[in-house]
Amino acid sequence: AQTVTQSQPEMSVQEAETVTLSCTYDTSESDYYLFWYKQPPSRQMILVIRQEAYKQQNATENRFSVNFQKAAKSFSLKISDSQLGDAAMYFCAYRSAGTGNQFYFGTGTSLTVIP
Amino acid sequence: DSGVTQTPKHLITATGQRVTLRCSPRSGDLSVYWYQQSLDQGLQFLIQYYNGEERAKGNILERFSAQQFPDLHSELNLSSLELGDSALYFCASSAVGTGTQETQYFGPGTRLLVL
Repeated sequence: AQTVTQSQPEMSVQEAETVTLSCTYDTSESDYYLFWYKQPPSRQMILVIRQEAYKQQNATENRFSVNFQKAAKSFSLKISDSQLGDAAMYFCAYRSAGTGNQFYFGTGTSLTVIP
Repeated sequence: DSGVTQTPKHLITATGQRVTLRCSPRSGDLSVYWYQQSLDQGLQFLIQYYNGEERAKGNILERFSAQQFPDLHSELNLSSLELGDSALYFCASSAVGTGTQETQYFGPGTRLLVL
């Protein structure tokens, strides 16, 4: 089974600064999808950004971007110009491109934004 | 608002009891997924239904069962509850259940407390 590892249980960043959250995964598949979800105190799971493994170009969504290193099986999330509203748990997730649509989640990184 | 609804929001019950959690997917979505998030843990995939049929099964206990009805809403039944079943239970939906561009949209979750 695929595993997703987030090695940083907690991170903090000054408001307006940039922070990078790490994620690595283990898979034998060549085609798959990677996601970052945000879980604020409300506990709602909110999609932040998604990356298709077959695309070499890193995904970007406004202040959020990823650094996808397929050979290294690494998928980090960069948050630029951090805002207080970015404070949340961030989960990295993997999904196979094959049959089924099961997500494998990491254990999360708790991000604190310091005013 | 993701368009996925879950009821109830909170549930408190005793060990040995049985509860039913309900999920209504986004309009037009055929697939429903159930996840369990225990305290300070990532999300664990339980089960997926597509258009009324079971599509994939994860680490779901035999005491747990689910179904998807013709109107596409889904119910997760938890029986013989134990203290360790206390968790946040998420439902997510997606359009089809396989495919290259699929993203899962999460409901707000049901917080279950077993006393």
